[in-house]
Amino acid sequence: NAGVTQTPKFQVLKTGQSMTLQCAQDMNHNSMYWYRQDPGMGLRLIYYSASEGTTDKGEVPNGYNVSRLNKREFSLRLESAAPSQTSVYFCASSEDRGREQYFGPGTRLTVT
Amino acid sequence: QQPVQSPQAVILREGEDAVINCSSSKALYSVHWYRQKHGEAPVFLMILLKGGEQKGHDKISASFNEKKQQSSLYLTASQLSYSGTYFCGTEGWGSNYKLTFGKGTLLTVNP
Repeated sequence: NAGVTQTPKFQVLKTGQSMTLQCAQDMNHNSMYWYRQDPGMGLRLIYYSASEGTTDKGEVPNGYNVSRLNKREFSLRLESAAPSQTSVYFCASSEDRGREQYFGPGTRLTVT
Repeated sequence: QQPVQSPQAVILREGEDAVINCSSSKALYSVHWYRQKHGEAPVFLMILLKGGEQKGHDKISASFNEKKQQSSLYLTASQLSYSGTYFCGTEGWGSNYKLTFGKGTLLTVNP
């Protein structure tokens, strides 16, 4: 089992460019999450999907969109990247809402 | 509201004990604890549900005081492998299972 995988591992964007961060899990989990982690800020929830076909905003959703493509995959899109979106992005999954979360290795994004 | 963790950082010698606290201003349903080593992803440690349950594995345990909206993580006889940043994530009543994480506590265990 690979657990939670994320692509890419690193990305550099120019301001205004768009990109999609991919996340997949092979644990048959119902719930998936996107977090961002900035120095000294902890983890902040961007969006989450309680189950296939549903998505909901988290604490910091502005500037992002998500798609729960199927039960395995949950993507995060930046339509017009800004320097404030420079961060490490973690995808996570859990069997159901409120259960322990398993995190992917992260994507380190720099917007110049 | 982001829970408040204390202390922000702690340095131990191998074999010493430590307590990390997590406080919230809102009524909590559960508290999650995670550990993150530098450059790696957070790893789940335990969940505490309302009712003051104390859970643990190995020499790491935790408690949850729902009246005070506080949780404490206890690390006993620390090992070098305990080094990392510890985060609490709180789930408030009516939050629809969303976790709000604290800023973390950096624990360093030296030989």
